[in-house]
Amino acid sequence: GAVVSQHPSWVICKSGTSVKIECRSLDFQATTMFWYRQFPKQSLMLMATSNEGSKATYEQGVEKDKFLINHASLTLSTLTVTSAHPEDSSFYICSATEGGATNEKLFFGSGTQLSVL
Amino acid sequence: GIQVEQSPPDLILQEGANSTLRCNFSDSVNNLQWFHQNPWGQLINLFYIPSGTKQNGRLSATTVATERYSLLYISSSQTTDSGVYFCAVDRDQGGKLIFGQGTELSVKP
Repeated sequence: GAVVSQHPSWVICKSGTSVKIECRSLDFQATTMFWYRQFPKQSLMLMATSNEGSKATYEQGVEKDKFLINHASLTLSTLTVTSAHPEDSSFYICSATEGGATNEKLFFGSGTQLSVL
Repeated sequence: GIQVEQSPPDLILQEGANSTLRCNFSDSVNNLQWFHQNPWGQLINLFYIPSGTKQNGRLSATTVATERYSLLYISSSQTTDSGVYFCAVDRDQGGKLIFGQGTELSVKP
C-alpha cells in the first residue's frame, strides 16, 4: 500500500522555540493532506486541511498563526509549531490522500510526539 | 457536527476470547473506517466500510448505515491485538475524519 512518511518521530524542545514536522507521501501524489492532534488517552482531533499550492483550512479553535502549515508540493506538507509552549505537547499525525471517490486511498503517517519543556 | 460514540471505552480480554466493539454516529455519513492504533501510535487502517459487512482474517466489521452504527468483531484475540480501536466517519469522502473516543483493548496471555 501507499506510504506516508512523517518526521521526526519525536522531538523535545524548549518553551518558546519553533518545531517543524514533515509529512511526505512516498509513492503517490497527495492532493490533500490533513493534520491531527492527539492528547494522551484521547481521540484524534482534526487541526487543518492543506491542499497543494493553496492556504490551509483550519478547524474552529485552531490558531493558524501558531500552527503554520505549508503544502508546497504534491508530496510534502509541513506543520510548524511556532513559539511552542508546554500545552502544545501532544502527538501530531498527518494523513494524505491522492484523491478519488472514496477514502480507501487515505493513508496516515506514523506520528510525531512533541514534548515542550 | 456529527457525533461519534464508541463502546465500551475499555475492554480486557483473555487471549483466545472474542469481542464486539460498537460505533454509533449521529448523522448520515458517506464513509466509515475502523483503525487500530498500536502502542507506538501508528494508525492501521482495518476496514473501509460505509455499509455492509467485510472480513479480514480474525476481524470482521458490519455497518448498518440506516441505523447509524457499526460493529467490529475480533475473534480468537491475541496479545498483539492490544491497543486502541478507533471508528472514524466523514460526510463527503473528502478525508476529513471525525474520530470516536476509541476503545482501549488489552489482551492478556
